[in-house]
Amino acid sequence: GNSVTQMEGPVTLSEEAFLTINCTYTATGYPSLFWYVQYPGEGLQLLLKATKADDKGSNKGFEATYRKETTSFHLEKGSVQVSDSAVYFCALSESYGQNFVFGPGTRLSVLP
Amino acid sequence: GAGVSQSPSNKVTEKGKDVELRCDPISGHTALYWYRQRLGQGLEFLIYFQGNSAPDKSGLPSDRFSAERTGESVSTLTIQRTQQEDSAVYLCASSRGQWRVQYFGPGTRLTVT
Repeated sequence: GNSVTQMEGPVTLSEEAFLTINCTYTATGYPSLFWYVQYPGEGLQLLLKATKADDKGSNKGFEATYRKETTSFHLEKGSVQVSDSAVYFCALSESYGQNFVFGPGTRLSVLP
Repeated sequence: GAGVSQSPSNKVTEKGKDVELRCDPISGHTALYWYRQRLGQGLEFLIYFQGNSAPDKSGLPSDRFSAERTGESVSTLTIQRTQQEDSAVYLCASSRGQWRVQYFGPGTRLTVT
């Protein structure tokens, strides 16, 4: 079945550091890929998405590129801020059959 | 409404009681999902509706859990004879289609004492 694997957290960085959160997936077909973010005390929000190979999703300074050859969708940001502290979930959705599959989440803490 | 709403926002119940959680999706969204999120953990898929039917109930943890959707709108998740391990945040999401972007509600925090 489909699955999503994320790097284990928590990840702790200093402000303005470079962020990478790894995400790899297993899918039977050709999925769409997503990053969701959950800020403290809030619900999940879509951060960015990519629907086909080599697509780059971007939002709020975050980027992720759909790499079919490595089945990856790593999240990156060049300079993190304290306000980026949250839990980040990688997810996939297959066009046929199964619904969304979420990764376990990676908690990011950014220190001033 | 503008977004997905859920009620109640918090529910404290005694072990053995039944609870009903409600989700109002974004108007026009045909797909609706229920998830469970235990403290400090990821999302656990429970059930998915396309229209009023549930093609995928594979995530329901036990026969104490059931869900329905009417009018291709509001959905209720019912937990019978609640147990302490049912304590979690129950999240609802809706989307325009089966594999489209999901928009999440704020969740219902259920505490079983």
